[in-house]
Amino acid sequence: NAGVTQTPKFQVLKTGQSMTLQCAQDMNHEYMSWYRQDPGMGLRLIHYSVGAGITDQGEVPNGYNVSRSTTEDFPLRLLSAAPSQTSVYFCASRGSMSGNTIYFGEGSWLTVV
Amino acid sequence: GQQLNQSPQSMFIQEGEDVSMNCTSSSIFNTWLWYKQDPGEGPVLLIALYKAGELTSNGRLTAQFGITRKDSFLNISASIPSDVGIYFCAGYNAGNMLTFGGGTRLMVKP
Repeated sequence: NAGVTQTPKFQVLKTGQSMTLQCAQDMNHEYMSWYRQDPGMGLRLIHYSVGAGITDQGEVPNGYNVSRSTTEDFPLRLLSAAPSQTSVYFCASRGSMSGNTIYFGEGSWLTVV
Repeated sequence: GQQLNQSPQSMFIQEGEDVSMNCTSSSIFNTWLWYKQDPGEGPVLLIALYKAGELTSNGRLTAQFGITRKDSFLNISASIPSDVGIYFCAGYNAGNMLTFGGGTRLMVKP
């Protein structure tokens, strides 16, 4: 009963450090995406992928990279962390058989100091 | 980017009261979704709406897809303490991109 699994749950970074947030789903979903959630802002789309080997930018892609080498995994890389990237990050997936139902991971709390 | 205006931003109500919140947009959406987020968790889907005018219920929750396709509302009847959380509307546009509203924080006094 894994669904969408994100790691780590919490992370503190220093400005300029790089790191990767991991996301994996075991539902064979084609569509995966990363959102960030800031207070009062709802969720904003960072990057998304409609299938292995295909990625595209969302609303707020700057400072982040993604790759989709397999259907299951969709890591999000912060290249050089900045305090403005302090946020809660959610990975999500959706499959053609699940209609428009998006399944979210539990979130990753990132603080950049 | 597209904007979904969700209101109210927060509500503090008495247990047993009914709750109403809504989302509006300047753009047309093909699908409206309503999510609830508990503290420390990811959003969980409550109701999905696929056609203009559609009215759908899920227990004490009722949501409607506006006729203009630019708005949606969510009602919660007879609120209980476990209704506490943040409620988000979200919509899919013609390009199949999902946009979220800013959320409504619901607090319930027992």
